[in-house]
Parts: sequence; C-alpha cells; structure tokens
Amino acid sequence: GAGVSQSPSNKVTEKGKDVELRCDPISGHTALYWYRQRLGQGLEFLIYFQGNSAPDKSGLPSDRFSAERTGESVSTLTIQRTQQEDSAVYLCASSLSPGLPGHEQFFGPGTRLTVL
Amino acid sequence: QKEVEQNSGPLSVPEGAIASLNCTYSDRGSQSFFWYRQYSGKSPELIMSIYSNGDKEDGRFTAQLNKASQYVSLLIRDSQPSDSATYLCAVNALSGGYNKLIFGAGTRLAVHP
Repeated sequence: GAGVSQSPSNKVTEKGKDVELRCDPISGHTALYWYRQRLGQGLEFLIYFQGNSAPDKSGLPSDRFSAERTGESVSTLTIQRTQQEDSAVYLCASSLSPGLPGHEQFFGPGTRLTVL
Repeated sequence: QKEVEQNSGPLSVPEGAIASLNCTYSDRGSQSFFWYRQYSGKSPELIMSIYSNGDKEDGRFTAQLNKASQYVSLLIRDSQPSDSATYLCAVNALSGGYNKLIFGAGTRLAVHP
C-alpha cells in the first residue's frame, strides 16, 4: 500500500472490555512501532517489532497490553480489561529497518480509543 | 536516560516571517535527526531529515545541525497560517541493541495573518 494503515480509526468501548487495534505497515518495511499519544501530550513509545519478533517491549504500560506481528506484515495491539486512562490515540509507524540510514519512521493515521 | 528537549511554545509568528524551532539532545552518539509536523487531530508527518553538520534546505524549510553543541533546528521561511502545527524533533539513539527514535514533546507553532 501507499502508506501505513490502521483500523479502526475510532473505537469506543466500555471499561473492562478488551480491544484490538490493527496496523498494516508500508510494504517492505521490516520495522514496526506502536506509540500512544494522550490528548495534548507527546508520543509515548510502546513496543518495537523487527520482523515478527519484539526486541523492545519496554514501553508497554502494564501486562494488560500485548502486541504481535505476523511476519513482516500486520501487527495487532491488544488491550485487555480497558481502563479510562487507556483513552488515547494509538499510532503505528513503520520503517525500512532500524539501522542507518533509512530508518525514517512513517506514521499511520492512528486509532482514537475512548474508554467510557 | 536519553532525552530530546524542545520548547513547548506556543511560538507565535506573523505571516511571512521566519519561524525558528529548536531542539537539543543528550546522546552524543546520535547520527540521525528528523523533524515531524503534526496538525491537530492528525498523525505526525515527516518533513525533514538531516544526518551531517550544517544546513539542509527543502523549499521553505531548512534544517540545521550542530553535533558539537548537540543542537538541531528547523527554520521555516515565509511562514504561512497553514504551517500552524506542532513540530516534533526526533533523534536516533542506540538502545537495547537497536536504533530507536527518541521524540521531543514538540513545539506548537502559531502563524497569525
């Protein structure tokens, strides 16, 4: 595809429910990143994938958060037992590789999650 | 902790003026530097990358890098109201065996007619 795509664009859920957010990276990009952005705040790194392995999960805020990736393709971020503080925009980015040069990250449009 | 610092703003400039956005970083080993623009309610969009000391120009945008001072800036000439956005500085850092991007919190730019 032409760019990073994410779905759904908006998700409203009730506290305690599980949600799945999907990211489809740019074709050929081996590296994939998830970020969270709360309203009016900066980017908060969550997890990085190289291929289908996740060498850096250091940003996942709790064990309610998990992510997986199929090969060098789609990634899913799952939030279990959602809490109101999970409300944010979840952004996915991809890059050719994490090395130099060529690791500019390109962002998808994001998923706006609202937990009621 | 490797950090990227930006003035949060808002930086207010009149239309047609030069907007100067600044960023400092803590990791002396950083080699790649990026500027992203984020409109309200939208995702970040890459607008400039710079890898070596000096200036890099692209249209109305000029990125400046000074590795000795650990300083990177973005100049926007002939600022337009459509340039009003938050500008994020991102710097690579070796962490956990791979190069990750560390993002600053962003500077909000307001260009008024």
